[in-house]
Amino acid sequence: QVQLVQSGAEVRKPGASVKISCKTSGFIFTDYYIHWVRQAPGQNLEWMGWIFPYSYGTNYGQKFEGRVTMTRDLAITTVYMELTRLTSDDTAIFYCVRARQPHIAVAGDFWGQGTLVTVSS
Amino acid sequence: DIQMTQSPSSLSASVGDRVTITCQATQDIGKYLNWYQQKAGKAPKLLIYDASNLETGVPSRFSGTGSATEFTFTINSLQPEDIATYYCQQYDSLSSYTFGQGTKVEIK
Repeated sequence: QVQLVQSGAEVRKPGASVKISCKTSGFIFTDYYIHWVRQAPGQNLEWMGWIFPYSYGTNYGQKFEGRVTMTRDLAITTVYMELTRLTSDDTAIFYCVRARQPHIAVAGDFWGQGTLVTVSS
Repeated sequence: DIQMTQSPSSLSASVGDRVTITCQATQDIGKYLNWYQQKAGKAPKLLIYDASNLETGVPSRFSGTGSATEFTFTINSLQPEDIATYYCQQYDSLSSYTFGQGTKVEIK
């Protein structure tokens, strides 16, 4: 069955970086776009970008351009999302999400369990 | 960027009631719209894709209609387990994706 399992909660100081992993299984890793979405406490969902593992293509939301990097490791079918220059506004739960269809960057169906990142001095 | 206006922001209804949520896009997005359910402390779950298609395994009391700029999500016969926040998400351009602000559904 399709699974996306994310790394555990992180605490960072302002100005630091965080890198979250998303281990996938149950589908052909190189066929599906993977999105990243975040949700600040009590707030709305916010799309951050996607990565296509086959081509290593990426597309980042304008708000995150220059601060976010999405990468992948084919050998272990894992994608990563690194966010730099953290501020308290980046405190949120971050989700990886698989696109619902192969080979096209449609919105997602299967979601990871979420990773809480807390930014605090 | 395409903006999504979702309404209402919250509602309270009785078990068995029909519940309707709307999403309005600032430009034509065709049928590129999903509806998600998010229960407290959990990741969102896909209910409806491409505006009106029921995801596998989702109860048939959930439905979606609409195209272009106006979309509607309906729960026929609200059940206690439907307590959640519901979000629409557009994916028209496949390069920028926007969620509605969410609708919190409670039991009266």
